[in-house]
This record gives sequence, C-alpha cells and structure tokens, in this order.
Amino acid sequence: QKEVEQDPGPLSVPEGAIVSLNCTYSNSAFQYFMWYRQYSRKGPELLMYTYSSGNKEDGRFTAQVDKSSKYISLFIRDSQPSDSATYLCAMNMNTGFQKLVFGTGTRLLVSP
Amino acid sequence: SAVISQKPSRDICQRGTSLTIQCQVDSQVTMMFWYRQQPGQSLTLIATANQGSEATYESGFVIDKFPISRPNLTFSTLTVSNMSPEDSSIYLCSSLGAGVAFFGQGTRLTVV
Repeated sequence: QKEVEQDPGPLSVPEGAIVSLNCTYSNSAFQYFMWYRQYSRKGPELLMYTYSSGNKEDGRFTAQVDKSSKYISLFIRDSQPSDSATYLCAMNMNTGFQKLVFGTGTRLLVSP
Repeated sequence: SAVISQKPSRDICQRGTSLTIQCQVDSQVTMMFWYRQQPGQSLTLIATANQGSEATYESGFVIDKFPISRPNLTFSTLTVSNMSPEDSSIYLCSSLGAGVAFFGQGTRLTVV
C-alpha cells in the first residue's frame, strides 16, 4: 500500500463547476499537508498549505484535512479553464528535515 | 517563499553523454532536493543535498550515475551521467522552508 493515494484522473468538468480533489494516506504521523498545482511543462507551484486538521480558504480554493479519517481534500469553486492542470497532494511529519511524500497527482480538465 | 531558478529548461542529448543541471535559490537554504518526474507520474526523490556534506541518495539512485554538488547555501548541481533513453524525464530541484517545498521550473531531458 502506498503511503499516499490519489486518483490520477483525468477529471473533466465544465467551467463554473465545483471541483473536489482528494488524497488518502496511511501514516498518522503526517502533520503538514500541501497542495501543488503543476501546469504542463512547468514545475509544481504551492497552492495551499495546512497544518493538522481543519479547513483553510484562499479565494476560490479550500483545503480540508480530516486526520481522523486520514483524508485531505482540495475544493475549487467556480472552476475556470485556467485551473486545468495536475494537482499533487504532499505531506510531511514536521517542519524539520523530512522529505515530502507526494501523491501521484490528479489531472483536471475544465472545459469552457 | 523561495524563488528557484533552474537551467537548462530543456535539452536533447546523445546517449552516453552527461548533462549537468544547475539550480540557484534566491535565499540561503540548508537542504536542497533533486526529483525526477516521468511523464504522467508523480515526483520521485533522487537525493537530498546538504551544503558541506555528501548527498544522500534514495533507493535506486547512485552517486556514480547522479553526482551532486552543493558548494554553498544557494546553489546545487545534478549531473546525469552516461545517459540512456531511460533517463529521459523532467528533473526538478527543490528547497524546503518551514516544511513546505518550493520547486524550480524543471529541466526536460530527452536522450536520443
């Protein structure tokens, strides 16, 4: 079993839809959770960063962490064609010198 | 956040040759990381580079094939040696700050 599981997609939605992207993980020691967006032929860029359980909102994006279920989500409201990218979840046990564990990424396609 | 500049952005190389990828961070960082990303795949950590010490390689990656230099706190290089078509991939450098990883734009390598 992989430490982090993520549906690879692709996930196709019409413009304006609400998108839900999810990851599950097995290591209960993970404390820091990140979502990265990667456009084709570019490096990953940090989108959202949360610590422990709870929600965090930034514009059209909401990150949700449920540590009891070992489940994290990224919601995108009013999705735009410019949101078409691959979304990677990543997690870490602490802020020290621990390498990140990445999901496989979900490819999102938002059609106009 | 850190700004990471990586070059070259892409290259096409002959098998048997070597390519050195450079990574420059706009601030001093203790640890830098080198990843490989195969098409449609997530990120695979190659090695962790600390300034002043030898790099730490992940399983499946060896120093003779992927020598790394880390001469100071803002710079690192990764060399892909004796290349074969199987080395065709995207190579990414990364730095870690407060548990969050920041990435360069990547080097797209094609070996022919």
